[in-house]
Amino acid sequence: EIVLTQSPGTLSLSPGERATLSCRASQSVSSSFLAWHQQKPGQAPRLLIYHASNRATGIPDRFSGSGSGTDFTLTISRLEPEDFAVYYCHHYPTSPPHTFGQGTKLEIK
Amino acid sequence: QVQLVESGGGLVKSGGSLRLSCAASGFSFSDYDMSWVRQAPGKGLEWVSYISSRGTDTNDADSVKGRFTISRDNAKNSLYLQMNSLRDEDTAVYYCARLWSGYYIDYWGQGTLVTVSS
Repeated sequence: EIVLTQSPGTLSLSPGERATLSCRASQSVSSSFLAWHQQKPGQAPRLLIYHASNRATGIPDRFSGSGSGTDFTLTISRLEPEDFAVYYCHHYPTSPPHTFGQGTKLEIK
Repeated sequence: QVQLVESGGGLVKSGGSLRLSCAASGFSFSDYDMSWVRQAPGKGLEWVSYISSRGTDTNDADSVKGRFTISRDNAKNSLYLQMNSLRDEDTAVYYCARLWSGYYIDYWGQGTLVTVSS
């Protein structure tokens, strides 16, 4: 089972700034089977990125994903007020179990 | 549009049982693998169980193995999670989730809260 470690735990930025969130895997992630989900307080998570770099339907292009192997990054180019939330990376192997990172909280500075 | 609506959560005593349901609509339910994911209060996401589109393959997290059983009824467009021998640490919001091509979660339900109290 691959363990995902996200950093930082909390990121404090202002609207308009660029956010860079990291997800590191304990071993190489095959075929870049890595997704990112956003969760706002009191809401269910929402898919942002799949296969490491593909935006899900309806996701603004200020969100981008990159990386391969063991190191993955979610970048938000210019933060909007609605982007302040918790972000989780998610590994989905061809055979379960799936695993999630512990989350990065993006808060307004 | 895709909708996943969970139900069946509530307060149960430690050692008790509960059955969660997830009603799916807006897509061909029998074509998709599904999963349950949970989130303890103030904590992160934890994958719980997986079931293939036809229900022939299942897989559970070690933390629930032997206690929880995932199942589905494609004729009723419904997913289930039978939870037995519940423990305090099973307290969480339980989300039903659709898997795209058996891989990543592309849709989440709104969740149902299970509270286990000793």
